[in-house]
Amino acid sequence: GENVEQHPSTLSVQEGDSAVIKCTYSDSASNYFPWYKQELGKGPQLIIDIRSNVGEKKDQRIAVTLNKTAKHFSLHITETQPEDSAVYFCAASKGGGFKTIFGAGTRLFVKA
Amino acid sequence: GAVVSQHPSRVICKSGTSVKIECRSLDFQATTMFWYRQFPKQSLMLMATSNEGSKATYEQGVEKDKFLINHASLTLSTLTVTSAHPEDSSFYICSARGGGQGAVYGYTFGSGTRLTVV
Repeated sequence: GENVEQHPSTLSVQEGDSAVIKCTYSDSASNYFPWYKQELGKGPQLIIDIRSNVGEKKDQRIAVTLNKTAKHFSLHITETQPEDSAVYFCAASKGGGFKTIFGAGTRLFVKA
Repeated sequence: GAVVSQHPSRVICKSGTSVKIECRSLDFQATTMFWYRQFPKQSLMLMATSNEGSKATYEQGVEKDKFLINHASLTLSTLTVTSAHPEDSSFYICSARGGGQGAVYGYTFGSGTRLTVV
């Protein structure tokens, strides 16, 4: 069935360093790949997304890359700050009313 | 931007009672809403997809008589946990499609409801 794998499960970086989280998906029909940030006790918040017709997208310190051939996509956070500490989820969807499949999550710790 | 309001944020109830959780899209019409359950330190597990004016579609293994979903309007979906038991204790999150960033594809999440059954 549809599956999204996410690595690593935990990531600890020093403030100012970069963090990279990688995901792979199984359904080649997936065409929308959002990333969510979830802080403790709160719902996930969309931080960036990418569609299948684009290979890379950047928004300030956050960037996402997509390799459709290999069926993997990555989140890159540069110049990390303590407030970036949270759980990050990647996801894949076929859009429209199709359900979104989530990765298992990455717990990011940014040490000051 | 799109806002989804979920209430209550926390609820404690006694075993055997029912609890209703509301999910409202505040500034857009949500044709489809999704209900998720999340256990501590785990990912979101889709429970059901709710479409306005029709019956919800439940994921395999989710008891439809246990988790009643009503999507009576384009801005409101409710999840009722019936005859709650301690094992139903969890973090429940809704999301809505439609409006705001990534409206065609994207989803906006509510802030979640922490249910504790004692």
